[in-house]
Amino acid sequence: ETGVTQSPTHLIKTRGQQVTLRCSSQSGHNTVSWYQQALGQGPQFIFQYYREEENGRGNFPPRFSGLQFPNYSSELNVNALELDDSALYLCASSSGSGTGNEQFFGPGTRLTVL
Amino acid sequence: SQQGEEDPQALSIQEGENATMNCSYKTSINNLQWYRQNSGRGLVHLILIRSNEREKHSGRLRVTLDTSKKSSSLLITASRAADTASYFCATEGGGFKTIFGAGTRLFVKA
Repeated sequence: ETGVTQSPTHLIKTRGQQVTLRCSSQSGHNTVSWYQQALGQGPQFIFQYYREEENGRGNFPPRFSGLQFPNYSSELNVNALELDDSALYLCASSSGSGTGNEQFFGPGTRLTVL
Repeated sequence: SQQGEEDPQALSIQEGENATMNCSYKTSINNLQWYRQNSGRGLVHLILIRSNEREKHSGRLRVTLDTSKKSSSLLITASRAADTASYFCATEGGGFKTIFGAGTRLFVKA
């Protein structure tokens, strides 16, 4: 078990709605990355936050946005939900934004969009 | 799109046998990491190998990296039923992205 927690565990929304997912990073970590994992696929990088600033972004539209708070916890917001947004959303924390820093993953939030 | 491609997609072996999974990638990397995921839950970091390393060991795990072929392999020796999981390789190049492959699903029969 890592010290990374995510809430909620499961969520069901309908198309067009908005959703906020939350992540508490491991103690001492200042970097949080978010990933989307569709069923049967590997995780896809959404974005990374380092010291409250977005530090890098994958190929996701602007309706995917995030925040990092002074305590380094983070939120992922998705607007105008689409059916294809149904996935497991994972956050990972690390102690730096450079390469080679081990990432510690939370258990994920499973989002279903109907 | 995902950079890492694991091979095979699925692998079924008997307890005690060795399991080998391969990963290929397309662009230059700073390091390559292997992760394990149990039943669609969070990922567990297994091992990191840097681009200037060729082989690394951790317990029953052995990872090799061939940057000229842009490939890596993960060997799990003396497998156990508890090793049943999905295994992913992930590469880090420039920037702050970690790019995962689609994974190998390993099933170890007791």
